[in-house]
Amino acid sequence: AQTVTQSQPEMSVQEAETVTLSCTYDTSENNYYLFWYKQPPSRQMILVIRQEAYKQQNATENRFSVNFQKAAKSFSLKISDSQLGDTAMYFCAFNGGGATNKLIFGTGTLLAVQP
Amino acid sequence: ETGVTQTPRHLVMGMTNKKSLKCEQHLGHNAMYWYKQSAKKPLELMFVYSLEERVENNSVPSRFSPECPNSSHLFLHLHTLQPEDSALYLCASSHGLAGGIKSKNIQYFGAGTRLSVL
Repeated sequence: AQTVTQSQPEMSVQEAETVTLSCTYDTSENNYYLFWYKQPPSRQMILVIRQEAYKQQNATENRFSVNFQKAAKSFSLKISDSQLGDTAMYFCAFNGGGATNKLIFGTGTLLAVQP
Repeated sequence: ETGVTQTPRHLVMGMTNKKSLKCEQHLGHNAMYWYKQSAKKPLELMFVYSLEERVENNSVPSRFSPECPNSSHLFLHLHTLQPEDSALYLCASSHGLAGGIKSKNIQYFGAGTRLSVL
């Protein structure tokens, strides 16, 4: 069974600094998709970034980028120039592309951006 | 207006009550999902609907009864719940179940209903 592990329950970063959130996963599949979602206090789960496993190039979205290491089954999220609005829970999620499009989530990392 | 709207935002109910959670998506998607989010636990997939047909029931107790009358609406009917069912219930939608140019396997979430069972 696939699992997703986020080993950092909480992290803190100063405004304008860079922070990296860790995620590892376990799967025997070769083609799959990985996501980072952000859940602010408003509770809305918002997609931050998406990575396709068959693409070697790391995905980037403005200040957000990933370090995807397929062999190590690692998928970390880097946030550059952190802003106060980045304060949220961040969830790493795995999708094996099966018949039900099932997302498997980690337990999340609570990121606090300090002014 | 967000693409996926859930009502109510908060719900308090007794163990003998019957209530329903509503989800509506305005994204033209044809797949919808219910997730349960409990404190300190990963989100748990409960149900998946595609084209109004249930395709996944993830060992959810029968006191949770989903309904998908059309591709834009999804309900979760609740009856005789237990205190351990207190959680945030999230709805999501996607453009189909399989990957593709439109879908990209991305699910879009609502803001959830915070349920407290007394």
